Amino acid sequence: GAVVSQHPSWVICKSGTSVKIECRSLDFQATTMFWYRQFPKQSLMLMATSNEGSKATYEQGVEKDKFLINHASLTLSTLTVTSAHPEDSSFYICSVGVGNQPQHFGDGTRLSIL
Amino acid sequence: QKEVEQDPGPLSVPEGAIVSLNCTYSNSAFQYFMWYRQYSRKGPELLMYTYSSGNKEDGRFTAQVDKSSKYISLFIRDSQPSDSATYLCAMSAGTGGFKTIFGAGTRLFVKA
Repeated sequence: GAVVSQHPSWVICKSGTSVKIECRSLDFQATTMFWYRQFPKQSLMLMATSNEGSKATYEQGVEKDKFLINHASLTLSTLTVTSAHPEDSSFYICSVGVGNQPQHFGDGTRLSIL
Repeated sequence: QKEVEQDPGPLSVPEGAIVSLNCTYSNSAFQYFMWYRQYSRKGPELLMYTYSSGNKEDGRFTAQVDKSSKYISLFIRDSQPSDSATYLCAMSAGTGGFKTIFGAGTRLFVKA
């Protein structure tokens, strides 16, 4: 079965609305989760590292007030894209890093802002 | 210079061919080397990972790491049309909470 569940898989919304994406670790208690963004035909770009019970660590150039991350439990991290605009349209993917294993990824969320 | 270099392709091969995918890197701190396969509109799927230098084989897939040359490879034997996907190399200094750096991904097409 899947190690990481991500929801929703696809969302279309109007410009100016906020969108929440959930990432659940199904098989492990994950103190660390990662959020990536991927544009068409490009590689994954790390946005932030989500730490359970503390503030996320954002990569340079990523607006923390625009991309709100909450990691309130060992199995759930959420990414909220606030006041989304068409340029925020992208493929957002979360991953879980546990113990001595490489990261396992969710199936991604395709976000389309009209 | 990027930390991880990978030719984006596309790479097109006939069914049954041996495929060779490669990456180079510059950070000598990398200890874990991964290959992920990504189908269109899906998240990356971990194929193989190797700690430090050496070879690892899993069915039709073989991963090689040469830390002295900072060069890693993935070989696919008897390639199938279902292998058509984007292959991403990835590296990190550790596992768990360590950051992973990804290559650009190589798009592979296996023709029936």
